[in-house]
Amino acid sequence: AQSVTQLDSQVPVFEEAPVELRCNYSSSVSVYLFWYVQYPNQGLQLLLKYLSGSTLVESINGFEAEFNKSQTSFHLRKPSVHISDTAEYFCAVSDIYGNKLVFGAGTILRVKS
Amino acid sequence: KAGVTQTPRYLIKTRGQQVTLSCSPISGHRSVSWYQQTPGQGLQFLFEYFSETQRNKGNFPGRFSGRQFSNSRSEMNVSTLELGDSALYLCASRSSSYEQYFGPGTRLTVT
Repeated sequence: AQSVTQLDSQVPVFEEAPVELRCNYSSSVSVYLFWYVQYPNQGLQLLLKYLSGSTLVESINGFEAEFNKSQTSFHLRKPSVHISDTAEYFCAVSDIYGNKLVFGAGTILRVKS
Repeated sequence: KAGVTQTPRYLIKTRGQQVTLSCSPISGHRSVSWYQQTPGQGLQFLFEYFSETQRNKGNFPGRFSGRQFSNSRSEMNVSTLELGDSALYLCASRSSSYEQYFGPGTRLTVT
């Protein structure tokens, strides 16, 4: 079975500052890792994924995450945030067969001007 | 391609009633999963269907059921509704590269 821990429930940050949202996972088998973003009253949007290969993965809107197997982490980072990045971010894990996603509790990113 | 669609978007039901939610996956996707999102429990997996067969099931009571049709559209049913069933129900369709794409959800309120 897998589990995911998102270490911060809320992260306030000023616009144009860097941010890191932390995610640790636990699993007895190899996993795929994902970050999703949820805006108010909407579904989840896939931000980025790690399946295999390069441990650093990037999204089209400037976010990146690094898979660290030894630390069982998949932290999400952005060097400069915008007001529009305000949302809730979920880290998720699945086994390598792509079966059910197990989600963390979510981190609310609040970007202040 | 059109995204995942879910109907209805909002529902208000009374305790004891039953409800059916519908999900149409992205064209070509054969796997559909359902998740429940609540403030207290977060996002929890309900079940997954692939080619009309339930392939995985989460830890929910038997009041929660689902099915998938030959065109990959899926429905989930909740019988004998309880107040605690109030939640956002999300459907996701999975690509061949293991990405799950979510619909906008159905907001169910049980009174």
